[in-house]
Amino acid sequence: DVKVTQSSRYLVKRTGEKVFLECVQDMDHENMFWYRQDPGLGLRLIYFSYDVKMKEKGDIPEGYSVSREKKERFSLILESASTNQTSMYLCASRTGGISNQPQHFGDGTRLSIL
Amino acid sequence: AQKITQTQPGMFVQEKEAVTLDCTYDTSDQSYGLFWYKQPSSGEMIFLIYQGSYDEQNATEGRYSLNFQKARKSANLVISASQLGDSAMYFCAMREATGNTGNQFYFGTGTSLTVIP
Repeated sequence: DVKVTQSSRYLVKRTGEKVFLECVQDMDHENMFWYRQDPGLGLRLIYFSYDVKMKEKGDIPEGYSVSREKKERFSLILESASTNQTSMYLCASRTGGISNQPQHFGDGTRLSIL
Repeated sequence: AQKITQTQPGMFVQEKEAVTLDCTYDTSDQSYGLFWYKQPSSGEMIFLIYQGSYDEQNATEGRYSLNFQKARKSANLVISASQLGDSAMYFCAMREATGNTGNQFYFGTGTSLTVIP
């Protein structure tokens, strides 16, 4: 079974802090994704990576950056956390190429910025 | 324009009845894929079913089937014989082939399904 592990289930930080959310997958997937989920808005893509050191902006990249130094790990960074970044963050991974393979999700990190 | 539209924020269904969750999509690509996920209150996203744009048959997986109408750009999820454990949020998603990356996913806003005993 594919395992996508997010480092924290719940996280509380203060405004202005630099926040790191870590995601690790164990299936050698090429593609990894970061989403935020807010009520009524569904999942919105922040960034995705299709290979090591490669990244693409999603729909809402402002205020975020990402790092993918190793294939199994994809980190989301909030450079200077703000209260409007309080949300559920979901990481996903998927095998590369155009195929019928679904994304596999971690359990999510519920982040509160005070 | 929204890539994926789910117009039903909330739905109720009687246990053992069938229910249809609506999803329409917007793409100019010929090659794309459609996915449905279930998210129980515990938060994990569970993959349910996939339909490829070139698939001629509607996808089925156990009690889940996908009513794919390509000309209308709709991919509705049908759950037969609803169970109490089906109560959850359901998300429709689309994969588009894009440039070098080959994968861009878009999600709808979700439908909250409640199964009534």
